[in-house]
Amino acid sequence: AQSVSQHNHHVILSEAASLELGCNYSYGGTVNLFWYVQYPGQHLQLLLKYFSGDPLVKGIKGFEAEFIKSKFSFNLRKPSVQWSDTAEYFCAVNGLTGGGNKLTFGTGTQLKVEL
Amino acid sequence: DVKVTQSSRYLVKRTGEKVFLECVQDMDHENMFWYRQDPGLGLRLIYFSYDVKMKEKGDIPEGYSVSREKKERFSLILESASTNQTSMYLCASSLPQAAEKLFFGSGTQLSVL
Repeated sequence: AQSVSQHNHHVILSEAASLELGCNYSYGGTVNLFWYVQYPGQHLQLLLKYFSGDPLVKGIKGFEAEFIKSKFSFNLRKPSVQWSDTAEYFCAVNGLTGGGNKLTFGTGTQLKVEL
Repeated sequence: DVKVTQSSRYLVKRTGEKVFLECVQDMDHENMFWYRQDPGLGLRLIYFSYDVKMKEKGDIPEGYSVSREKKERFSLILESASTNQTSMYLCASSLPQAAEKLFFGSGTQLSVL
């Protein structure tokens, strides 16, 4: 079975601070990894994804994430956050052996960016 | 743009009632999913479907059933609603290729009293 852990449940940062949100997954085989974001009052939307190749992936709005296979991690980063980044962030994993198209989500990290 | 429409934004039901949550997508996606979202628990998969009349249990199917009679419509059914089913329910759809991208509806906040 696949599972995802997000260790930070609530993060508060000032504008321009750097961000790193942790994500660790548990799965024995090949995986696809995702970060989704939910802005206040809006739908969940895809921020970025890793399928294969370069382990450093770039997404929308200046976000990036690095897949470290040896650590089973896929941490989300942004060098300088903005107030508009206030949202809830979800890491998700899709195990490609038997997992099919089933995404398993982490518990989410609520990010608040203060002016 | 893909549109996933959930019929109700807010719903209040009583314990023991049969509840139907409807979801329609307009992009001919094969895959459809029902998740529930609870604070501190994230999104948990209830049921999903890869094709018409096909369904598979997710991680927390107990107390729920689904119906997919047409490709564009995926219904979640609570046979006898209970207070612990008070939650935000999210429908999503995607193309079949390796969970390329999920498109989510705006959610139905269900309160069971």
